[in-house]
Amino acid sequence: GAGVSQSPSNKVTEKGKDVELRCDPISGHTALYWYRQSLGQGLEFLIYFQGNSAPDKSGLPSDRFSAERTGGSVSTLTIQRTQQEDSAVYLCASSFRLAGASYEQYFGPGTRLTVT
Amino acid sequence: AQSVTQLGSHVSVSEGALVLLRCNYSSSVPPYLFWYVQYPNQGLQLLLKYTSAATLVKGINGFEAEFKKSETSFHLTKPSAHMSDAAEYFCAVREAGTALIFGKGTTLSVSS
Repeated sequence: GAGVSQSPSNKVTEKGKDVELRCDPISGHTALYWYRQSLGQGLEFLIYFQGNSAPDKSGLPSDRFSAERTGGSVSTLTIQRTQQEDSAVYLCASSFRLAGASYEQYFGPGTRLTVT
Repeated sequence: AQSVTQLGSHVSVSEGALVLLRCNYSSSVPPYLFWYVQYPNQGLQLLLKYTSAATLVKGINGFEAEFKKSETSFHLTKPSAHMSDAAEYFCAVREAGTALIFGKGTTLSVSS
């Protein structure tokens, strides 16, 4: 079946502009996660959504970052007033449910963001 | 708080040699542990996971890992390296109700 998809695959933007990154999780998966992968920082958790519960935003690095998940499916990560340090690969993952912690997270191919 | 330490950011082996990638974790409760692999310009793929069943876990592509509670370790091994194993490997820990916490990653190079 279809895996997690992300768009765009690459995004180049000017410093100060806003960007939106999209994630389509695997159908039926109730949990959705965003991670950031950057040189020197490794993989960092940003935010996750579980069903209709309030999202865990504890990993968001600043208030310029926000995310929403519409209809329990597609998610959009928005970065306002981008800075050069936001340059990274943004990865989305989904899983069946959060409570069963052994459930595998399936990752998308990522969006490579470059802020010039 | 949970954390993961991967010893060695870069490991080089010859084709056919043993692969050993080290991972130590910190967790206040019995953890769920994972190894992911990332090939160049691709997303993360699960190699194997420990979920409190058998302490020796077998994964894809001939990899396995052993959970050692006394050493808080979950090292990844493969008896004989293949050129196609060259990639970046990430160890991760997850307690119930949280997202994954990843190590910094180890890049594996395989030479002929």
